[in-house]
Amino acid sequence: AQTVTQSQPEMSVQEAETVTLSCTYDTSESDYYLFWYKQPPSRQMILVIRQEAYKQQNATENRFSVNFQKAAKSFSLKISDSQLGDAAMYFCAYRTSGGGADGLTFGKGTHLIIQP
Amino acid sequence: GAGVSQSPRYKVAKRGQDVALRCDPISGHVSLFWYQQALGQGPEFLTYFQNEAQLDKSGLPSDRFFAERPEGSVSTLKIQRTQQEDSAVYLCASSFPGVAGVETQYFGPGTRLLVL
Repeated sequence: AQTVTQSQPEMSVQEAETVTLSCTYDTSESDYYLFWYKQPPSRQMILVIRQEAYKQQNATENRFSVNFQKAAKSFSLKISDSQLGDAAMYFCAYRTSGGGADGLTFGKGTHLIIQP
Repeated sequence: GAGVSQSPRYKVAKRGQDVALRCDPISGHVSLFWYQQALGQGPEFLTYFQNEAQLDKSGLPSDRFFAERPEGSVSTLKIQRTQQEDSAVYLCASSFPGVAGVETQYFGPGTRLLVL
């Protein structure tokens, strides 16, 4: 079974600075997908960014980028120019690449605090 | 609205009562997922539907839990004889098959269940 580990229960960053959230995972598969989801206090989970394991290039979405290290099974999220609206729980998630849709395996989350 | 909706948003039940949680997916979405999120934890997969077919129910914690999606749209998660350990937020997500097979799951706001 796959597992996802987020070792930082809480992170704090000053507004406008950069922060990196860590995620490691364990799998025996060679092809899979990785995601970062954001869950604000309203609790609606929102997709931030996703990465296909077969792609070597790191995914980027505006101020959000990932550092995907397949050999190390590491998938960190970098948030540049942090904004107050970035404050939320961030979850790293894994999905197998098997045919059809599959459930996501989530980490326990990192609570991101933005200091004004 | 065009998003995933869930009802009720909050539910308080006495131990032993049956509850039914509803999910309205995004129109046209083939796949529907249920997750359970305990306090301070990441969501855990419960079950998955493709149209009306329940293809994976490996995450359902006991035979008190069952889910249905009879017409391939709205889904109901039913919990019989609720126990205190069932207290959690129940999240529903839906997705539509993508060209590359990477289906982004769109989440609803969740139903917070408290069993007293």
